[in-house]
Amino acid sequence: DTGVSQNPRHKITKRGQNVTFRCDPISEHNRLYWYRQTLGQGPEFLTYFQNEAQLEKSRLLSDRFSAERPKGSFSTLEIQRTEQGDSAMYLCASSLRTGPNEQFFGPGTRLTVL
Amino acid sequence: AQSVTQLGSHVSVSEGALVLLRCNYSSSVPPYLFWYVQYPNQGLQLLLKYTTGATLVKGINGFEAEFKKSETSFHLTKPSAHMSAAAEYFCAVDYNNNDMRFGAGTRLTVKP
Repeated sequence: DTGVSQNPRHKITKRGQNVTFRCDPISEHNRLYWYRQTLGQGPEFLTYFQNEAQLEKSRLLSDRFSAERPKGSFSTLEIQRTEQGDSAMYLCASSLRTGPNEQFFGPGTRLTVL
Repeated sequence: AQSVTQLGSHVSVSEGALVLLRCNYSSSVPPYLFWYVQYPNQGLQLLLKYTTGATLVKGINGFEAEFKKSETSFHLTKPSAHMSAAAEYFCAVDYNNNDMRFGAGTRLTVKP
């Protein structure tokens, strides 16, 4: 068990470009979550998957954002036409469906939009 | 509205002193409660959790927290602060097993 991994760890892009982040959860975990964290704030929920099904999306997830988990394993989060306001740390977490929702977090991807 | 409030965005203590980080939540039913720690440029690491049973919960690194239903609180304590405890701490509440809400965080500074 190597924990939750995220790639890349850092991404710098110009406004208007598209970016894609990847998350690899703990292998036996069937739930996967995406959060956004800005400076001085706690993580804000974006969306979550149970296996390959995307079950909930926050209103924070505008139509420029899309997430997939095609085979119920890794997940990708894409942001199209990035804006400076998208600059943040994007965190991924995974958990087991049963029992309390103890989520295990990856190290995050820090996005800077110039 | 369901919410999590961490009183004090920044707490500073001397090395060896008691650490107390406050968390209050709003809920009509007892939720699951968590404390996470985040070191710079890293993800969140679970310190401890309350689900059911004993209201005093012990976690890693000498931390503990007490669930007080009457006060809707879940304050985090550590008897003696070490320099290594300097980090950002987040209280989180899981209301229905898929809706985790985080507080804004408390940055702990430990002075030598």
